[in-house]
Formats: sequence, structure tokens, C-alpha cells
Amino acid sequence: DVKVTQSSRYLVKRTGEKVFLECVQDMDHENMFWYRQDPGLGLRLIYFSYDVKMKEKGDIPEGYSVSREKKERFSLILESASTNQTSMYLCASRSSVDGTNEQFFGPGTRLTVL
Amino acid sequence: AQTVTQSQPEMSVQEAETVTLSCTYDTSENNYYLFWYKQPPSRQMILVIRQEAYKQQNATENRFSVNFQKAAKSFSLKISDSQLGDTAMYFCASLDNYGQNFVFGPGTRLSVLP
Repeated sequence: DVKVTQSSRYLVKRTGEKVFLECVQDMDHENMFWYRQDPGLGLRLIYFSYDVKMKEKGDIPEGYSVSREKKERFSLILESASTNQTSMYLCASRSSVDGTNEQFFGPGTRLTVL
Repeated sequence: AQTVTQSQPEMSVQEAETVTLSCTYDTSENNYYLFWYKQPPSRQMILVIRQEAYKQQNATENRFSVNFQKAAKSFSLKISDSQLGDTAMYFCASLDNYGQNFVFGPGTRLSVLP
């Protein structure tokens, strides 16, 4: 059974804290993605990675950074959390070679910044 | 840039009835893929159905089918014999053949009423 897991379902942090969100996939996928989901806005892409140590900015990268040291793991970092980063964060992965283009999602992390 | 629009923020349907969710998209590409994803309350987002733009035949997966109108750039989802477990947010998404990233619509919240 394919799986994308995220380190926390719920997280509460204070303004100014450094926050790490971890994502792991066990499908040997090349591509990994971080989205934030807000009501009425759908999913917006923060960063993505198509290979180890590679990263590309998505549509809303400001205030975020990422790290991909191993193929299976993609981390999202909030250097200094702010209240406008309160949101649901979804990780996803996708194969470059299987031809389906299906994207698999993690369960999400609901982050609250106080 | 691709865009995806879902004009129905919320919908409801009686159990066992049929409901259609609307989606329109805009792309300058000739080859692309379209998807419907389902996000049940507090659960993981999963793929419902996928359509390849070069295929004229509408995709079908059990009770789920699409009406793909390429010229009109319309991709609606029909759910037949609605079940309580169909209650979820539904996201329409597109992926062009050369792109790496999905573009998601804002979502439609569907409630199936007993």
C-alpha cells in the first residue's frame, strides 16, 4: 500500500519560532511537493523537488524553505513562523516514470501559529 | 499559465441520487491531464478519476464518471447513487504534458444527506 506520511497531524507554535514539517514517502518517487490549503483558495504550491538536493519555488515560497537530503524525505521549514502561516500543509509525491501522473498525498499537518 | 475554476463552493445531494460537480480550466497546451481528487473530512486526499486530454472517451470509475468537453474546456464529475461516504471536498486539477506541477481549483464541498 502506497504511503505518504507527515510527522504531525496538529501543531501549535508561537510567532517567531522555527518550525519543521517532515514528509516521508515509501514509493521511491522522484517528485515531492509541499502545498498549503486554505478555504476558498484550494491548494497552493509552496516548493517542490524533482530529485535529491534539488528544489524549486512554487507559487508562494515566501517565508518558507525546504530540504531534500534523501529521496524519500522532503522537509518544509518555516524560519520564523508568523500568524499568516496558520494553515493546513499537505505533502505529496509523484513518480516521473510510471506514466500515470497520479499524485499521492499525506494526511496533512494543521499548523496554528499564535 | 493554467487556471482551474470550480464555480460551486458547496453542494448537497440526497443519498442514492445523482450529482454533478462543475469544473472549467484554461490551458494553452494541447496535451494535458485532468483529475478529480476527493478529500473526506479529516482524511487523506485521494484520486477519484483521471482523464487524458487526447482520449475522447469519458473516463469512468464505478459510480464516478466525467463529462469532458475539450472545446469548452469543461471537466465535470458525475456521482451516481450517492453514498454517505461521498461526503467530502472535491478538487478538480490539471497537469499539462510538459509541466511538473498540478493546478488545483478552489474545491467544492459536497454533503450527501440521509
